Amino acid sequence: GDSVTQMEGPVTLSEEAFLTINCTYTATGYPSLFWYVQYPGEGLQLLLKATKADDKGSNKGFEATYRKETTSFHLEKGSVQVSDSAVYFCALSPIQGAQKLVFGQGTRLTINP
Amino acid sequence: DADVTQTPRNRITKTGKRIMLECSQTKGHDRMYWYRQDPGLGLRLIYYSFDVKDINKGEISDGYSVSRQAQAKFSLSLESAIPNQTALYFCATSDPSPQGSAYEQYFGPGTRLTVT
Repeated sequence: GDSVTQMEGPVTLSEEAFLTINCTYTATGYPSLFWYVQYPGEGLQLLLKATKADDKGSNKGFEATYRKETTSFHLEKGSVQVSDSAVYFCALSPIQGAQKLVFGQGTRLTINP
Repeated sequence: DADVTQTPRNRITKTGKRIMLECSQTKGHDRMYWYRQDPGLGLRLIYYSFDVKDINKGEISDGYSVSRQAQAKFSLSLESAIPNQTALYFCATSDPSPQGSAYEQYFGPGTRLTVT
């Protein structure tokens, strides 16, 4: 079945550091890919998405590129801020079927000043 | 006002009790979902509904039931709560995009449920 695997957390970085959170997926065909963010005490919010191979999603300084050849959708940010501290979820939406989201396990990110 | 609201936000209940979690949305979306979040497991789908007359089981529906009272309301019930149903529960909504497979889900703030 479809699945998403994220790098193990938690991740702790200093402010202005470079961030990478790895995400790989297994799916039939070419799913749509998403990154959601969950700030403390809140629900999930869509951070960015990509719908086809080589698409780059971007928002708030974060970027992720849909890599079909490596079945990956790694999240990157060049200079993180304390306000980026949150839990990040990679997810996919299968191309066929009931259009449900399949989530990775989440990666907790803490940025220290 | 929030587009997707959940009540209660926190609930502590005892084993064997019946409990209902409620979700309301003002986004006008047809599709609604219930997920549970457990540490290290991400979000897992419990039930989903594509309209008032269409309700479907997700990957972990055992021990849960749902009711879609109206387009805007989708309730999750635990008929006889057990401790391993202690989790954070999220409601979400969506509307299919013109492309069909790529769409965003909008989440409520969550209900933290503890079963003792």
